[in-house]
Amino acid sequence: GESVGLHLPTLSVQEGDNSIINCAYSNSASDYFIWYKQESGKGPQFIIDIRSNMDKRQGQRVTVLLNKTVKHLSLQIAATQPGDSAVYFCAETNTGNQFYFGTGTSLTVIP
Amino acid sequence: NAGVTQTPKFRILKIGQSMTLQCTQDMNHNYMYWYRQDPGMGLKLIYYSVGAGITDKGEVPNGYNVSRSTTEDFPLRLELAAPSQTSVYFCASSSPGTGDNEQFFGPGTRLTVL
Repeated sequence: GESVGLHLPTLSVQEGDNSIINCAYSNSASDYFIWYKQESGKGPQFIIDIRSNMDKRQGQRVTVLLNKTVKHLSLQIAATQPGDSAVYFCAETNTGNQFYFGTGTSLTVIP
Repeated sequence: NAGVTQTPKFRILKIGQSMTLQCTQDMNHNYMYWYRQDPGMGLKLIYYSVGAGITDKGEVPNGYNVSRSTTEDFPLRLELAAPSQTSVYFCASSSPGTGDNEQFFGPGTRLTVL
């Protein structure tokens, strides 16, 4: 199976600071990546995606960076807010049908 | 739109019992998925479907069956429940043919097998 892992299982940041969540993947053939946010008791929610022909993609307060050389993905959240507290997952695919998820990073925002 | 709905929200089964987890989406998405999420872990794909009448195995299909008779519904069947199937089950749908690859997830079904 695929191996999608995260460097840190937990992350605590002060409100207003920037957050960086990292993800490593092992399949060099993966060509599409997604970041999800999962709040307690809820299903995952799409945040942002990126294709392998891009290095960076920006959304509202979020940026995803892709380094294909070292098979690394990161999610940057600007001006982190208490509502950003959740578990964040990266997922990868090379087929568009089967997505492989990492184990997740729990982000806690300290007011 | 209600999005993706799942029933039941919670269920406790005895070993060997069977049940069907229901999933319905009203977004006319052609792709549907079933995932399981064990405590502290990411999601693992059980089965998926790219359209009515078509289903394929995912990463962890053993012990499960699915059917896709309509675009809207994608039920997941457990025939002989085992403790290893205790998990939270998420259904999702997407419509990648439109250029939008976002998967929309349901609220989940928490299943305990005792």
